[in-house]
Amino acid sequence: QQQVKQSPQSLIVQKGGISIINCAYENTAFDYFPWYQQFPGKGPALLIAIRPDVSEKKEGRFTISFNKSAKQFSLHIMDSQPGDSATYFCAASAGNNRKLIWGLGTSLAVNP
Amino acid sequence: SQTIHQWPATLVQPVGSPLSLECTVEGTSNPNLYWYRQAAGRGLQLLFYSVGIGQISSEVPQNLSASRPQDRQFILSSKKLLLSDSGFYLCAWSLNRGYGTDTQYFGPGTRLTVL
Repeated sequence: QQQVKQSPQSLIVQKGGISIINCAYENTAFDYFPWYQQFPGKGPALLIAIRPDVSEKKEGRFTISFNKSAKQFSLHIMDSQPGDSATYFCAASAGNNRKLIWGLGTSLAVNP
Repeated sequence: SQTIHQWPATLVQPVGSPLSLECTVEGTSNPNLYWYRQAAGRGLQLLFYSVGIGQISSEVPQNLSASRPQDRQFILSSKKLLLSDSGFYLCAWSLNRGYGTDTQYFGPGTRLTVL
């Protein structure tokens, strides 16, 4: 059972365009929603994270939009660059169980 | 600042051989520790996590085991490797108390190929 559903599986965007990756969840107890970026052969690195008390968080070109009623959150990459080409994972966690529930990842390719 | 190390970086092992992967964390005490496996082009599968020395929780039944002999050391082992054990093994840590316990920080990973 996939508790966090991520889409699309792959995405191709032109340089300067907007990349949008979506995640949906079922467990209303989730209260932490991070996005991780992973380059080939490297471990994932935290990109940006949000908690449900806000609807949007922006850090540079990266923005998380959070819709609590729809149980969805998304990552927007503005002015996408070839260096953004990587796999992106959304995740969610709840309470004190210290475990992240992961989406299956989105492979992003930004064409120059 | 905190640093997480994994070794070896790459490993090629025959089927049926034993395995030992090591992970150490510097710059923090009593972290939560995690072992993940990532198959090629796939997502992250949580294998084990630990909230303290000698405390291991297993997420997926398989021929792997984990141990935490010291506060900042986490070891992944197998007595007999299977072909299906091939993958990218990632260790991660998080704080164990207060705000931010759910933020996990990953090591560089170990690429394991079982032939």
